[in-house]
Amino acid sequence: SQQGEEDPQALSIQEGENATMNCSYKTSINNLQWYRQNSGRGLVHLILIRSNEREKHSGRLRVTLDTSKKSSSLLITASRAADTASYFCATPPNNAGNMLTFGGGTRLMVKP
Amino acid sequence: NAGVTQTPKFRVLKTGQSMTLLCAQDMNHEYMYWYRQDPGMGLRLIHYSVGEGTTAKGEVPDGYNVSRLKKQNFLLGLESAAPSQTSVYFCASSYSFGRSISYEQYFGPGTRLTVT
Repeated sequence: SQQGEEDPQALSIQEGENATMNCSYKTSINNLQWYRQNSGRGLVHLILIRSNEREKHSGRLRVTLDTSKKSSSLLITASRAADTASYFCATPPNNAGNMLTFGGGTRLMVKP
Repeated sequence: NAGVTQTPKFRVLKTGQSMTLLCAQDMNHEYMYWYRQDPGMGLRLIHYSVGEGTTAKGEVPDGYNVSRLKKQNFLLGLESAAPSQTSVYFCASSYSFGRSISYEQYFGPGTRLTVT
């Protein structure tokens, strides 16, 4: 079973626009992570936000976490064609240390 | 550093055949994982290892076996391949500084397996 679920499943935007992806999860967590997967490649870690953090930035990425709503969002600002990829949220099931459960992902297409 | 590498990159098997997928990491990570990814879906954990000589079942372990004889290597075996095991297989590794702490996972490039 999937702990996290991303929304929307697919998103298409123009270069320069912002992209927002959401993740909802079911149980309490001590952190939430976002990963990117380019077509035909492995996943690459983007950012980790801990349960006592509400917002975190990394370059053009902004992640928020609302533990009361059990949800997180990933915002990519000023998107580029190179941002075209699938984005996954991941959470530790039952706070089981180094284990992660991945959602189904959001497929982002950025048109030049 | 090569990071996490996987061999082979592609493989086609007939139903009933066996094979072993090899994962190697050069980051001295304690934890290693095997996932499978089916079209349009996220990753599902098959087996994982918290250290040399130890393995444990994940979410979808049936039909697979694993071994971790050396810290840097994690092998995934299919004893009798079935069409339902057609998938892309990813290996990952991570640090471990305590069971309650999560760290980022580093992924290999994947192995695309087709079972006919």
